[in-house]
Amino acid sequence: GAGVSQSPSNKVTEKGKDVELRCDPISGHTALYWYRQSLGQGLEFLIYFQGNSAPDKSGLPSDRFSAERTGGSVSTLTIQRTQQEDSAVYLCASSTRVGQGGYEQYFGPGTRLTVT
Amino acid sequence: SQQGEEDPQALSIQEGENATMNCSYKTSINNLQWYRQNSGRGLVHLILIRSNEREKHSGRLRVTLDTSKKSSSLLITASRAADTASYFCATDRYSGGGADGLTFGKGTHLIIQP
Repeated sequence: GAGVSQSPSNKVTEKGKDVELRCDPISGHTALYWYRQSLGQGLEFLIYFQGNSAPDKSGLPSDRFSAERTGGSVSTLTIQRTQQEDSAVYLCASSTRVGQGGYEQYFGPGTRLTVT
Repeated sequence: SQQGEEDPQALSIQEGENATMNCSYKTSINNLQWYRQNSGRGLVHLILIRSNEREKHSGRLRVTLDTSKKSSSLLITASRAADTASYFCATDRYSGGGADGLTFGKGTHLIIQP
């Protein structure tokens, strides 16, 4: 079946502009995650959605970052007033929650964001 | 902050040899996972080992977990060129478990020389 898809695959933007990154999770996966990967910081958790519950935003680095998930499926990560340090690969993942027994996450190909 | 720390940071071996990577973590865990990342397939889940397990196998992969030492190892036997990738260990963000995000180590970059 189809995996996690993300768009765009690459985005170049000027400092100060807003950007929106999109994620389509695997159908039926109730949990959705955003991470970012940069050379300096490695892979960092950003935000987590589970079903209709309020998202866990504890990983968002600043209030310029926000995300929403519509209809329990597609998610959009928005970065306002982009800064050069926002340049990174933004990865989306989804999973079928199985409680505390552990779970694997399925990752999308990522969006490479470059802020000039 | 990074929970896991992989060792070594980089590893280069000949095709056919075995590759061993280690991961250390700081807090108690419910499970530990290993992921592989290469340019062709992105980040892919390899194996999950629970805190009450000591060893797990999947094909050419063998993972061990020592919760007393807070460490795990990933062994790839009979390496192939296609195993060239970065390997990451990952643990739950909260020791209470649940599907609320992972904390990744910085990874081991493995190069298989033909």
